[in-house]
Amino acid sequence: DQQVKQNSPSLSVQEGRISILNCDYTNSMFDYFLWYKKYPAEGPTFLISISSIKDKNEDGRFTVFLNKSAKHLSLHIVPSQPGDSAVYFCAAGSNYKLTFGKGTLLTVNP
Amino acid sequence: NAGVTQTPKFQVLKTGQSMTLQCAQDMNHEYMSWYRQDPGMGLRLIHYSVGAGITDQGEVPNGYNVSRSTTEDFPLRLLSAAPSQTSVYFCASKVTTSNYGYTFGSGTRLTVV
Repeated sequence: DQQVKQNSPSLSVQEGRISILNCDYTNSMFDYFLWYKKYPAEGPTFLISISSIKDKNEDGRFTVFLNKSAKHLSLHIVPSQPGDSAVYFCAAGSNYKLTFGKGTLLTVNP
Repeated sequence: NAGVTQTPKFQVLKTGQSMTLQCAQDMNHEYMSWYRQDPGMGLRLIHYSVGAGITDQGEVPNGYNVSRSTTEDFPLRLLSAAPSQTSVYFCASKVTTSNYGYTFGSGTRLTVV
């Protein structure tokens, strides 16, 4: 039973536009959420995080929104750049355990 | 500062063989963990450790052993490899006082034939 779901396996956007990646979770005990970016043959790289007590966190071009009542979070990338093309994983944490979604492949076209 | 180092990068094993995947970090992180990633799946937690001498199971621990004798190293042992253990394995570490800041290694691609 998947506790963290990324329902879009892939997303394609034009350079300069907004990319919105979505993530849903089922376990209300998660108390923090993370987004990771992964290139082929490399380990995941941390992008941005949000605590369960917040609803928004920004870091440069990246903003994460958390809707606890809907158990939904999203990652906004504005403006999107070709170098952003990668697989993006949503992860939810509780105690010492991270649970990952299956990932969304983002392609940013020049 | 090397971060999290995993060796080997690639390995082919025969069914029934044993091997140890190595993970070392030089950031003095108390917390270390092992994940596996299979095609079309997210990363799944195998085992983790919050400090030397302390380990615990994650989501998919069967077939794997771990120990933590030093802060720097957290090896993952496959006692009798099976084709179902074909995967990419990632090691991650962080300070235990933070929920964030997980640093991942670059992975070990293991094939069991």
